[in-house]
Amino acid sequence: NAGVTQTPKFQVLKTGQSMTLQCAQDMNHEYMSWYRQDPGMGLRLIHYSVGAGITDQGEVPNGYNVSRSTTEDFPLRLLSAAPSQTSVYFCASSYLSSYNEQFFGPGTRLTVL
Amino acid sequence: GQQLNQSPQSMFIQEGEDVSMNCTSSSIFNTWLWYKQDPGEGPVLLIALYKAGELTSNGRLTAQFGTTRKDSFLNISASIPSDVGIYFCAGRTPLVFGKGTRLSVIA
Repeated sequence: NAGVTQTPKFQVLKTGQSMTLQCAQDMNHEYMSWYRQDPGMGLRLIHYSVGAGITDQGEVPNGYNVSRSTTEDFPLRLLSAAPSQTSVYFCASSYLSSYNEQFFGPGTRLTVL
Repeated sequence: GQQLNQSPQSMFIQEGEDVSMNCTSSSIFNTWLWYKQDPGEGPVLLIALYKAGELTSNGRLTAQFGTTRKDSFLNISASIPSDVGIYFCAGRTPLVFGKGTRLSVIA
């Protein structure tokens, strides 16, 4: 198993550009989520999904869109990047029955200029 | 939203020393989790606690679910250089993360 994979590992954008952060897992996990990590802020939940076709907002959803067309993939879209979205983004997944025990991907470090 | 207060924010310790860190909340949680994050990596689950008063060990790590359900503690015994990293507590429900304790071990 590859676990949770994220691409790209690093990305630099200009303000106003759009992009999609990719996340995939091969563990057949129902639950997937996106977090952002900022210095001194810990991890904050952006969006999550409990299964294909079902998504919901987390603590800091503004400026981000998600979709879940398959169990394996959960892309995060930045519609119009802003400097405030400079952060490290982590995708995580788990079984619904044990969604506390999430497995995290290696992260995507995004810089918005 | 709910917040977790994790302390200390950072620690510098000598190799071989024991380490203690804790997490408190104004809200009751049903589950407490402890994660470790190595530099450039995502967090990895260390210990999960599901019952008030529960004490669980994972090698040199021991974590406790506070009896009030508003706090949790993590102890690391006989620290080694590879213990370096950021340790996060998390509580559920909903799943909320603390801001982390950055541990540095001096050989």
